[in-house]
Amino acid sequence: KNEVEQSPQNLTAQEGEFITINCSYSVGISALHWLQQHPGGGIVSLFMLSSGKKKHGRLIATINIQEKHSSLHITASHPRDSAVYICAYKRASGGGADGLTFGKGTHLIIQP
Amino acid sequence: DAGVIQSPRHEVTEMGQEVTLRCKPISGHNSLFWYRQTMMRGLELLIYFNNNVPIDDSGMPEDRFSAKMPNASFSTLKIQPSEPRDSAVYFCASSLSDPGADTQYFGPGTRLTVL
Repeated sequence: KNEVEQSPQNLTAQEGEFITINCSYSVGISALHWLQQHPGGGIVSLFMLSSGKKKHGRLIATINIQEKHSSLHITASHPRDSAVYICAYKRASGGGADGLTFGKGTHLIIQP
Repeated sequence: DAGVIQSPRHEVTEMGQEVTLRCKPISGHNSLFWYRQTMMRGLELLIYFNNNVPIDDSGMPEDRFSAKMPNASFSTLKIQPSEPRDSAVYFCASSLSDPGADTQYFGPGTRLTVL
């Protein structure tokens, strides 16, 4: 069983729609990451958060540590948002750097 | 800043051959990670280094895989001998190791095909 579950696996929406991608995990974590992988394959880190909410442009990420759940929201979605969005966590090892454990990703397509 | 640099970007080789993937982390970053991405398993951590020292290599599939970091600006991932099931995209990432400031920056990846 994957320790990180993302939903939905695939999402197709119309331009302008509000998008929500969910991530649930089952272990103690020190930080949760949201990554974006473009069709060309490059991976970009969108957010790293350990509590509360972060916002960057049209993207908002929230996390509930008690419920072990995080969401990524996209407002006013645009075709250029089409990508795979990956949730990943860093274990609560007490150290600094640590490798990430990844979800399978959510494949998002925004149609014009 | 040039970002994380990986070479080669594409590699096609025959089963049994040795393959060496290279990574130059962002200057000043003291943590380096090797990940592998396949359709079946998604992204997986292979190994990571902190201050050039391997910290966790539990993700390395088997003895055919080895990784080194001889200095702060260079790391290699070697597969010997290569097998078709090693075909994947291999990503290198780097970060600072300070908690709360350890966003990982990914290289463009090396797409490996073993025939």
